Amino acid sequence: EAGVAQSPRYKIIEKRQSVAFWCNPISGHATLYWYQQILGQGPKLLIQFQNNGVVDDSQLPKDRFSAERLKGVDSTLKIQPAKLEDSAVYLCASSLGTGPSGAFFGQGTRLTVV
Amino acid sequence: GEDVEQSLFLSVREGDSSVINCTYTDSSSTYLYWYKQEPGAGLQLLTYIFSNMDMKQDQRLTVLLNKKDKHLSLRIADTQTGDSAIYFCAERDDMRFGAGTRLTVKP
Repeated sequence: EAGVAQSPRYKIIEKRQSVAFWCNPISGHATLYWYQQILGQGPKLLIQFQNNGVVDDSQLPKDRFSAERLKGVDSTLKIQPAKLEDSAVYLCASSLGTGPSGAFFGQGTRLTVV
Repeated sequence: GEDVEQSLFLSVREGDSSVINCTYTDSSSTYLYWYKQEPGAGLQLLTYIFSNMDMKQDQRLTVLLNKKDKHLSLRIADTQTGDSAIYFCAERDDMRFGAGTRLTVKP
């Protein structure tokens, strides 16, 4: 079974530029999560989708961050414009949404804003 | 995430047992999980426990659940250097994480 795929693995941008991250969840997983993990901290949940609907985006900085999950499969997370404090690893995870299986994580995208 | 509490650091010697503790918030969660994160990697699901159980054993891992106190623990028997990582607990219905516990295993 293929895991959660994320791209790119690394991205360096200047502040005020825009950036987008892509996630392809495990096939059949209804729930998709985006997390931000700043160095030395635990992952912070940004947004949770159930199929293509948003379940929780209470911690998403909506003035600059946006996310969508078209057709309930792939998802993109965008930052526009980026700030220095957005430097972090952005993790995507997916789960079946039912039963005991937890969330499976991708390798993440490391973003550096200079 | 803010309401899941774990001690930040744990250091043990190779071959000893490690016990990592977690206090969670949502007593209605059906499942509770332990994740492991190695440097530069995403989180790896280690094990889970159903909320109506108080113990689950999975090879070297033992999970203990005290629902009354909302306390979850992970015991690693015969800890190896490859177990050095950050460990996170999470609840099924609220996939938020605390800061995690950094386990260091000394040879």
